[in-house]
Amino acid sequence: DAKTTQPPSMDCAEGRAANLPCNHSTISGNEYVYWYRQIHSQGPQYIIHGLKNNETNEMASLIITEDRKSSTLILPHATLRDTAVYYCIVTGDSNYQLIWGAGTKLIIKP
Amino acid sequence: NAGVMQNPRHLVRRRGQEARLRCSPMKGHSHVYWYRQLPEEGLKFMVYLQKENIIDESGMPKERFSAEFPKEGPSILRIQQVVRGDSAAYFCASSLGRLADYEQYFGPGTRLTVT
Repeated sequence: DAKTTQPPSMDCAEGRAANLPCNHSTISGNEYVYWYRQIHSQGPQYIIHGLKNNETNEMASLIITEDRKSSTLILPHATLRDTAVYYCIVTGDSNYQLIWGAGTKLIIKP
Repeated sequence: NAGVMQNPRHLVRRRGQEARLRCSPMKGHSHVYWYRQLPEEGLKFMVYLQKENIIDESGMPKERFSAEFPKEGPSILRIQQVVRGDSAAYFCASSLGRLADYEQYFGPGTRLTVT
């Protein structure tokens, strides 16, 4: 079973920041938080991952709470092409696999 | 720099036939993962391979399914005697190293339809 809980769907206006929450209250010390997205049945696309510190790359920012029990993925200026299902995944050194939950269906509206 | 390649993109098989799905990882990647996705569901892990070795096949059905990643050539997922329940999208991913240190890059998938 997935170790994460995400809202099933969210809307965001084009050009605004999209903030996608994820709860992972059972995360252990050596487990990472990964975010992927899947656009309309295409292959999933890696977005970002982190362990403790906040991370930023050209696609997004990842904010992890100090107790590491939740995180937020931020798409700073959402576009229509960001409409996708976003998956938050927790995995660690002893895992070989990504365990996928249902994700959040993000719809960007014009 | 080509990404992960999968072929065929669409495959139709009759019940009882064999399906062979191919995956060429990104250049320099020696770790390959296979996942299956049913409609409206998330991906389910099937198998993790490194060159010539199966590392974890805990998600593979015990019968009819096999996977290999030879020293030369693509990784192959083979499904013998397909049944309607095998209809799904099959995704391959590759990485530089073992998960948690390295992200996985996914191919476009193979859509298998069993008639």
